[in-house]
Amino acid sequence: DGGITQSPKYLFRKEGQNVTLSCEQNLNHDAMYWYRQDPGQGLRLIYYSQIVNDFQKGDIAEGYSVSREKKESFPLTVTSAQKNPTAFYLCASRLASNNEQFFGPGTRLTVL
Amino acid sequence: GENVEQHPSTLSVQEGDSAVIKCTYSDSASNYFPWYKQELGKRPQLIIDIRSNVGEKKDQRIAVTLNKTAKHFSLHITETQPEDSAVYFCAAPFGGYQKVTFGTGTKLQVIP
Repeated sequence: DGGITQSPKYLFRKEGQNVTLSCEQNLNHDAMYWYRQDPGQGLRLIYYSQIVNDFQKGDIAEGYSVSREKKESFPLTVTSAQKNPTAFYLCASRLASNNEQFFGPGTRLTVL
Repeated sequence: GENVEQHPSTLSVQEGDSAVIKCTYSDSASNYFPWYKQELGKRPQLIIDIRSNVGEKKDQRIAVTLNKTAKHFSLHITETQPEDSAVYFCAAPFGGYQKVTFGTGTKLQVIP
């Protein structure tokens, strides 16, 4: 189903806790992205990475962190500094020679 | 700045009628314009895209038109069916293809 997976599908977090969302792709894609989607909203870019060991902030990076130690993996950590983290998080990947982004199934994070 | 405006935010049509969604973008260097369809609770999936060297592209009941001078592009769905009901997002790249900015989405409802 596209070769890009996210886990878990649903995640509950208590206030003040950090939590890490997983994103893995076996498409041999170079670039990977994290988006946040709120109800009735578009997709807002959190972080993106073009190559291993390199990543850039997107439009709403505050309160989030990422790493890109392997080409296949781009985990996102939602820290306690993110004041309103409840949302649907989508990971995507793209081949450098192509424009199309492929999305994972998403993780729905709820802060209790 | 990087801005993609999408209209309307909601659209209801009778089955069999046509639907048109419009987007405008701000970066005149943008040259790739995808449209994604997102069904409830699912991942966005690319349904059609267009590059700046063409003005129109069709794929069965779906077409996209591009006016580079006016910096707007539109999605046209003809002979709508209930399974076309979903949220549709337009997008445009900025800074080359590294970043893509998405529109805020159009919720299309096809009434049987």
